[in-house]
Amino acid sequence: GENVEQHPSTLSVQEGDSAVIKCTYSDSASNYFPWYKQELGKGPQLIIDIRSNVGEKKDQRIAVTLNKTAKHFSLHITETQPEDSAVYFCASNTGNQFYFGTGTSLTVIP
Amino acid sequence: NAGVTQTPKFRILKIGQSMTLQCTQDMNHNYMYWYRQDPGMGLKLIYYSVGAGITDKGEVPNGYNVSRSTTEDFPLRLELAAPSQTSVYFCATPGGHSYNEQFFGPGTRLTVL
Repeated sequence: GENVEQHPSTLSVQEGDSAVIKCTYSDSASNYFPWYKQELGKGPQLIIDIRSNVGEKKDQRIAVTLNKTAKHFSLHITETQPEDSAVYFCASNTGNQFYFGTGTSLTVIP
Repeated sequence: NAGVTQTPKFRILKIGQSMTLQCTQDMNHNYMYWYRQDPGMGLKLIYYSVGAGITDKGEVPNGYNVSRSTTEDFPLRLELAAPSQTSVYFCATPGGHSYNEQFFGPGTRLTVL
């Protein structure tokens, strides 16, 4: 089955700096790649996604890039703010199944 | 419009006990999913359903059962609870028009002692 790897597991940045989280996947049939933000005690919340026919997508301070050839995709957060502190998960979708990375705990230091 | 609701929020079970985790959605979507999240790990798909009367196994189905008699409800059953089933359980359904998007409920934290 699909294997999604996510790095780093923890990330600390100064407020205003950028943060980058990277994921790789193994199944070339995967065609949808969402990113989720999870705050303590809550369910994951979709923040941005990208489909396999697109190389990059941006939504304000958040962007996602996809390299299908290399089977990796990345989340970029610019001008980080303390409220960006959370755990971020990448995922891939193959058919009806979703496979998640192990998460990145992002801390934005004021 | 509550989205996805899950009950209970917390539960402690003894080994061998059984329970049902409830999930209800008011988004009128055919697809529903159950995940478990272990500490420091990502979510693992347990079971999913593409419509009433149709269920399928995910990545980690052993020890669980599901049913889908209505579009709104997708209960998850643990028949003989084991310590390995200590986890946080999330139910999800697509939030938008695409079946890809996952809109998660608030979760049920289960401890098996």
